[in-house]
Amino acid sequence: EDKVVQSPLSLVVHEGDTVTLNCSYEVTNFRSLLWYKQEKKAPTFLFMLTSSGIEKKSGRLSSILDKKELFSILNITATQTGDSAIYLCAVGDMRFGAGTRLTVKP
Amino acid sequence: NAGVTQTPKFQVLKTGQSMTLQCAQDMNHEYMSWYRQDPGMGLRLIHYSVGAGITDQGEVPNGYNVSRSTTEDFPLRLLSAAPSQTSVYFCASSARDRLGYTQYFGPGTRLTVL
Repeated sequence: EDKVVQSPLSLVVHEGDTVTLNCSYEVTNFRSLLWYKQEKKAPTFLFMLTSSGIEKKSGRLSSILDKKELFSILNITATQTGDSAIYLCAVGDMRFGAGTRLTVKP
Repeated sequence: NAGVTQTPKFQVLKTGQSMTLQCAQDMNHEYMSWYRQDPGMGLRLIHYSVGAGITDQGEVPNGYNVSRSTTEDFPLRLLSAAPSQTSVYFCASSARDRLGYTQYFGPGTRLTVL
């Protein structure tokens, strides 16, 4: 059965800190890994990763995939209170991890 | 741009009642799906559709029915509501490409079953 595990489940940091969120997976038919950010309502798309070792970057957020070790990380540098959200990872046929709840304190 | 719309936003049901959650998208996406989100469990796939007339079960399909008569609409029916179905329900749509599905989510329906 496909499995996606995110860690940590919850994280509290202060503004300016750098955080690393993890997503490991076991799926039978890997095509891509996606990261989403969920604030108060619906998840919004951040990145799609398909190839190992190629970093995707958007502002202070970046992500990379390791298809050999079956994981991805999402980095957020110089965190701001607006980064507070649940970050979701999804793999294969839309199997989501439980998410990491990030709280950034001023 | 409407994107993905869901109605209602909130609903309270009594055990045993039935209802339909509506979902519509105006992006001409082939793929539509329904998820439920419970605390600490992320999003779990209920049913999905890869095109009009085609539906399939996801991870947690029991107690729910779907149909896809048009590209735009993908309603989710609760046949006989149970307290275990108290959750937030999200509908999503995506264009399909060989790499996967980048999904666009509706605003969600918060359902409480008493």
